[in-house]
Amino acid sequence: GENVEQHPSTLSVQEGDSAVIKCTYSDSASNYFPWYKQELGKRPQLIIDIRSNVGEKKDQRIAVTLNKTAKHFSLHITETQPEDSAVYFCAAIGGGFTGTASKLTFGTGTRLQVTL
Amino acid sequence: DVKVTQSSRYLVKRTGEKVFLECVQDMDHENMFWYRQDPGLGLRLIYFSYDVKMKEKGDIPEGYSVSREKKERFSLILESASTNQTSMYLCASSYSGTMFHEQFFGPGTRLTVL
Repeated sequence: GENVEQHPSTLSVQEGDSAVIKCTYSDSASNYFPWYKQELGKRPQLIIDIRSNVGEKKDQRIAVTLNKTAKHFSLHITETQPEDSAVYFCAAIGGGFTGTASKLTFGTGTRLQVTL
Repeated sequence: DVKVTQSSRYLVKRTGEKVFLECVQDMDHENMFWYRQDPGLGLRLIYFSYDVKMKEKGDIPEGYSVSREKKERFSLILESASTNQTSMYLCASSYSGTMFHEQFFGPGTRLTVL
């Protein structure tokens, strides 16, 4: 099945700096890569996703890049703000496709701390 | 606005008890999922369902079962709770179809097994 590795596990940046979180995946057939943000005590929420026919996608201060050859994808947050502090999870479609349900395999998470 | 709710935010049970965690979604989603979240391990899929009465094992199904009798409701059952099942349990739902759809998560149930 799919295996997703995520680094770093913790990341501390100063407000205004950029943050980069990297993930690698194992299944070359995976073609959908979402990123979820989980604030303290809250549920994970999708912040951006990318499909395999696209190399980069941007939404305001966040962007995701995908390198299918190397099987890795990254989340980039620019001009970080205190409200960006959260745990971020990458994920990849993998492990098969039963009916119409797509199984997501998640990375282990990155705790981002934005300091003033 | 999609709403996924879970029956309890916090639950304390004793070893050997049968435990039911319930999840309800109000958006007519076909797919529903149960994950457990542990520090350093991310979200791991326990079971998922793509239709009423249909279920598939995820990555860590041992010690769990599920039930989906109605489209909006997906239950996770711990037949005989053990201390290593102490965890945060998250339910999620999504539309089906040929495009990959966002999974919407519930608020989670923090289960402690004593």
